[in-house]
Amino acid sequence: DSGVTQTPKHLITATGQRVTLRCSPRSGDLSVYWYQQSLDQGLQFLIQYYNGEERAKGNILERFSAQQFPDLHSELNLSSLELGDSALYFCASSVVGGLGYTFGSGTRLTVV
Amino acid sequence: GQQLNQSPQSMFIQEGEDVSMNCTSSSIFNTWLWYKQDPGEGPVLLIALYKAGELTSNGRLTAQFGITRKDSFLNISASIPSDVGIYFCAGMNYGGSQGNLIFGKGTKLSVKP
Repeated sequence: DSGVTQTPKHLITATGQRVTLRCSPRSGDLSVYWYQQSLDQGLQFLIQYYNGEERAKGNILERFSAQQFPDLHSELNLSSLELGDSALYFCASSVVGGLGYTFGSGTRLTVV
Repeated sequence: GQQLNQSPQSMFIQEGEDVSMNCTSSSIFNTWLWYKQDPGEGPVLLIALYKAGELTSNGRLTAQFGITRKDSFLNISASIPSDVGIYFCAGMNYGGSQGNLIFGKGTKLSVKP
């Protein structure tokens, strides 16, 4: 157990729908990062939050959004889902200025 | 944007063999990291490198931070079956408020049939 908890583990939904992925960071970690892993693209950085505020944005689509709450858990919202959004979504956390993120086990999203 | 080229894409190992993989970048990083991912799990940090030229070991794993800061390699000595998985290199630059990792596409290690 890495200490980073992601729910749900698996999600199957239809095109056009909206889903929310949840992440609880490791105790003491203030930064949360979201990554998308698909077969042909590897791990792509989506977005980073630090202590409730957005810190960095990567290749995140406008249909996707995220937030980090006061208790430091984070949610990634994916809307108007398309078949191509099927992927593994990972959350990682780190301490302030920490090096080397700790990843959760991921949420496997399948859009049908 | 920054891209990492990781090679080889895949390789087959026989127990006891040494394994080498590397990662190159079009731009410099001030930190290189190596992760391993097992099926159904998230990547797990193996080795972190913070200084150009640095050579660091973790058991049978050895990694080096290239002098140019644009490359890194990972060696696994005397491979065992549990070494099977996907190995990712990742680069990071710290500056301001940003510290996100850029990942290579991975090297998949499989057992020779």
